[in-house]
Amino acid sequence: GAVVSQHPSRVICKSGTSVKIECRSLDFQATTMFWYRQFPKQSLMLMATSNEGSKATYEQGVEKDKFLINHASLTLSTLTVTSAHPEDSSFYICSAPFRLNTEAFFGQGTRLTVV
Amino acid sequence: ELKVEQNPLFLSMQEGKNYTIYCNYSTTSDRLYWYRQDPGKSLESLFVLLSNGAVKQEGRLMASLDTKARLSTLHITAAVHDLSATYFCAVDPSSGYALNFGKGTSLLVTP
Repeated sequence: GAVVSQHPSRVICKSGTSVKIECRSLDFQATTMFWYRQFPKQSLMLMATSNEGSKATYEQGVEKDKFLINHASLTLSTLTVTSAHPEDSSFYICSAPFRLNTEAFFGQGTRLTVV
Repeated sequence: ELKVEQNPLFLSMQEGKNYTIYCNYSTTSDRLYWYRQDPGKSLESLFVLLSNGAVKQEGRLMASLDTKARLSTLHITAAVHDLSATYFCAVDPSSGYALNFGKGTSLLVTP
């Protein structure tokens, strides 16, 4: 079945540094991928839509200069959290739709802790 | 703005009991999803409901969709401890795979 792999699963970084999270579709091509953020004991909120070969589309209230998204190939999207602060600590999850199916598949998630 | 409302948000139930989780949404959608999330983990897909009147069952869980009422239910039959988790419903309003999630129902099944 279709698999979406996210890396790393956990990362701890210092305030002010940048962190890159990768989302790969392992056995299918995805022209679109989605990035969600989940704060502790809260729901998932869509942050942005990653589009292969073009700019990402960000949801209202999400800072595009802080959360840089690159979708350079049909199997890889990256989310870079720039100048991270403790309030950016969260669980980040990507998803990629498999067009022959009727749903998008989720990655394993990345737990980001900024200290 | 699409709103997805789940209730209850917290549910503690005894093993062997039945209960229903409700998911209301505010705009037309032909796609509704139910997910399970265990602590520290990503989402596990439970059900994909694509049409009015759709009913799907897997083990002790059964999901249904009424698009006219904009309501989906997740029914739990004879709960067991292993069902303890957080359950989310999600709506895809534009059939473009970007999901709007409910707040989740935290389910605890006790002996």
